[in-house]
Amino acid sequence: GAVVSQHPSWVICKSGTSVKIECRSLDFQATTMFWYRQFPKQSLMLMATSNEGSKATYEQGVEKDKFLINHASLTLSTLTVTSAHPEDSSFYICSAIASGGAVLYEQYFGPGTRLTVT
Amino acid sequence: QKEVEQNSGPLSVPEGAIASLNCTYSDRGSQSFFWYRQYSGKSPELIMSIYSNGDKEDGRFTAQLNKASQYVSLLIRDSQPSDSATYLCAVNQAGTALIFGKGTTLSVSS
Repeated sequence: GAVVSQHPSWVICKSGTSVKIECRSLDFQATTMFWYRQFPKQSLMLMATSNEGSKATYEQGVEKDKFLINHASLTLSTLTVTSAHPEDSSFYICSAIASGGAVLYEQYFGPGTRLTVT
Repeated sequence: QKEVEQNSGPLSVPEGAIASLNCTYSDRGSQSFFWYRQYSGKSPELIMSIYSNGDKEDGRFTAQLNKASQYVSLLIRDSQPSDSATYLCAVNQAGTALIFGKGTTLSVSS
């Protein structure tokens, strides 16, 4: 159980275009999802916290107008990278907290999306 | 600033040995403690969670927590080459985002 999917798994886009990444909890409801970014040989850095039905909370230094997050349902959060630039190339990973149950606080990660901006 | 510290390694052990990974954290309010394994190019995989002081065993893995010392460790018994990966220590307060350490790279030689 507790499976999180992401789509697409990898994407290449041209500089200036926008890219949408989906994060879905497949077998549980997730009131809270998180978006992380990981550059090569570095640890995961939290970008934002996404709560179903409300605005996302962004970490300091993350541009909310550039990284648009929508959490429209208990099983889906999306991250849109607008006007992407080569420095946005990274590994984007979402995670979700299962709502209720015995493993309330455990977070499960999606498989990640490799974004390359040319 | 809430921080989680880990030795970056690499930690090299022979196959069959015990690998010991350590982690310290700065936030005394931390309630939940996790160890994730991450293979190169993949997302983290949860391998252990621990919430109270003491030891927690799951197969070849044992997590140890000492809240007074703000210290978490992971022991891997009978290490296998397939255990070679980066191990991330993460902590949080209930329901909040995880704070990750930079990870320790483990290499198990056959």
